Amino acid sequence: GAVVSQHPSWVICKSGTSVKIECRSLDFQATTMFWYRQFPKQSLMLMATSNEGSKATYEQGVEKDKFLINHASLTLSTLTVTSAHPEDSSFYICSARRGGGTALLYGYTFGSGTRLTVV
Amino acid sequence: AQKITQTQPGMFVQEKEAVTLDCTYDTSDQSYGLFWYKQPSSGEMIFLIYQGSYDEQNATEGRYSLNFQKARKSANLVISASQLGDSAMYFCAMSQYGNKLVFGAGTILRVKS
Repeated sequence: GAVVSQHPSWVICKSGTSVKIECRSLDFQATTMFWYRQFPKQSLMLMATSNEGSKATYEQGVEKDKFLINHASLTLSTLTVTSAHPEDSSFYICSARRGGGTALLYGYTFGSGTRLTVV
Repeated sequence: AQKITQTQPGMFVQEKEAVTLDCTYDTSDQSYGLFWYKQPSSGEMIFLIYQGSYDEQNATEGRYSLNFQKARKSANLVISASQLGDSAMYFCAMSQYGNKLVFGAGTILRVKS
């Protein structure tokens, strides 16, 4: 089945530093990647949508310069949290979707998530 | 705009009994898909079941079934014969074809022994 590998699974960083989170589709080509943020006991909030080779589309209220998303290949997307602060501490999770036709049934394959703690 | 509503913040169910988790949605599109995901404390998102807007039959996957009432715009998840391992957060989500997945607020389910 479709597998998305997300790394790291958890990370602690100092305030003011940057953190990169990777999301790889292992056995399929992900034409679209979605990045979500989740606070404890809350829903997944979409941050941005990225299509391979083009700029990410950010949701309203998400700072583009703070959350840099790169989708340079069909199997890799990265989220970089720049100049992280304690309020950026959260659970970040990616989701990859295959392309082609009415691909909805192929579903959205999620990574295992990254728990970011900024101290 | 798409919107998913889950009105039950938390639910309790006795082991081996059935439970229904509510989900209503709002969209002006005719083509859309409805999903249910389970999120245990580990954080991973586990796909449970899918219903397409044009599917006439309710979807079923093992102990999971989706009670799809299109006119009422509801897509309730029914879990039969609950198990302790079913304790988790459950999310209803919707997507228009090829577009982003929008999630409801979620329902925390606790199965009692």
